[in-house]
Amino acid sequence: SQQGEEDPQALSIQEGENATMNCSYKTSINNLQWYRQNSGRGLVHLILIRSNEREKHSGRLRVTLDTSKKSSSLLITASRAADTASYFCATDENAGNMLTFGGGTRLMVKP
Amino acid sequence: DAGVTQSPTHLIKTRGQHVTLRCSPISGHKSVSWYQQVLGQGPQFIFQYYEKEERGRGNFPDRFSARQFPNYSSELNVNALLLGDSALYLCASSLGLLTNEKLFFGSGTQLSVL
Repeated sequence: SQQGEEDPQALSIQEGENATMNCSYKTSINNLQWYRQNSGRGLVHLILIRSNEREKHSGRLRVTLDTSKKSSSLLITASRAADTASYFCATDENAGNMLTFGGGTRLMVKP
Repeated sequence: DAGVTQSPTHLIKTRGQHVTLRCSPISGHKSVSWYQQVLGQGPQFIFQYYEKEERGRGNFPDRFSARQFPNYSSELNVNALLLGDSALYLCASSLGLLTNEKLFFGSGTQLSVL
């Protein structure tokens, strides 16, 4: 079963716009991670936020975490065509780094 | 350094057959995990191995098995293939088992069961 639900399932924006995708999860966590996947191939780690953190930045990425609402958001600022990919949140519901992934948001950035 | 490598990249099998997928982790990584990703969905955890021992198993039938070798490479075996086993099988490695460790994924093996 999948831990998280991601919203929206698909997002289409113009280059230069910001993209926001949301993730909800069901159980308590220690960390939440975001991964990116191009064209159905391997996933690439983007950012990790700990349960005692509320916001984290990495380049054009901003992640927020609200443990009271069991939700997280990923913001990509000034998007580029190269950001076109699927984005997944993942939690450590199963303990350790055996991750539980959400269903993903498919982002298309039009040039 | 090479990343996580998986072989083969594509595989076509028929129902009832068995399949073996292989994975080599990043040098120095001792943990290997396997995930199944059905088209349009997120990856689902199958197994995790660390130091050749199974450390976790997802909700998959006994037709799925795996092992890790002394060089930390791993194999995933699936017996009595079903149509529903068609998916992208992803291998991921990490240094250890800590919850704050990120996973490094291979490019996957696309399995089609006809």
